[in-house]
Amino acid sequence: SQKIEQNSEALNIQEGKTATLTCNYTNYSPAYLQWYRQDPGRGPVFLLLIRENEKEKRKERLKVTFDTTLKQSLFHITASQPADSATYLCALDAAGGTSYGKLTFGQGTILTVHP
Amino acid sequence: DAGVIQSPRHEVTEMGQEVTLRCKPISGHNSLFWYRQTMMRGLELLIYFNNNVPIDDSGMPEDRFSAKMPNASFSTLKIQPSEPRDSAVYFCASSWRENTEAFFGQGTRLTVV
Repeated sequence: SQKIEQNSEALNIQEGKTATLTCNYTNYSPAYLQWYRQDPGRGPVFLLLIRENEKEKRKERLKVTFDTTLKQSLFHITASQPADSATYLCALDAAGGTSYGKLTFGQGTILTVHP
Repeated sequence: DAGVIQSPRHEVTEMGQEVTLRCKPISGHNSLFWYRQTMMRGLELLIYFNNNVPIDDSGMPEDRFSAKMPNASFSTLKIQPSEPRDSAVYFCASSWRENTEAFFGQGTRLTVV
């Protein structure tokens, strides 16, 4: 069956360090993968999208990699700040071809950045 | 644009009552999604629409759940009758085409007692 796993339920790091979050999937052939941030009491907010033919994508302090051979994506936040503390969700399009943007989400990783 | 608007933000109801959740997607978006989020199961897709037409409702847990999208600017998710295990946060999201990001509303926190 199809499965998305975000390896760490919770990740605690010190301010200024790089946070690395992992998303693994099985039995998917996604055309793209997305990362979202969710703060308590709010809906998820889109951060980055990476396509199957892209190895890496960057946006400010964020970097995403996508390895379709390993079936894994890594999400990095460099020079982390306490304000980066949130739950981070990875999401895959659920089917190759026309899926109208239908996404399946991982369980999320709760990141806490300590001052 | 004000983003995806959901109402109500919070709903407390008694078991057996009908509950209706409402969503206004972002203007110009042609896909609309209803998700449910719980601690145990995370964010689950219930149903999604494209151009107001339901495309896949395989995530709807039971016949007690129904969703409609009468026009491009409005959708409802109805639970009748509601049960305590329906307690969750329900999110509506919209996107303007596939391969793009989804925009989520603030969610409706439903508590069935």
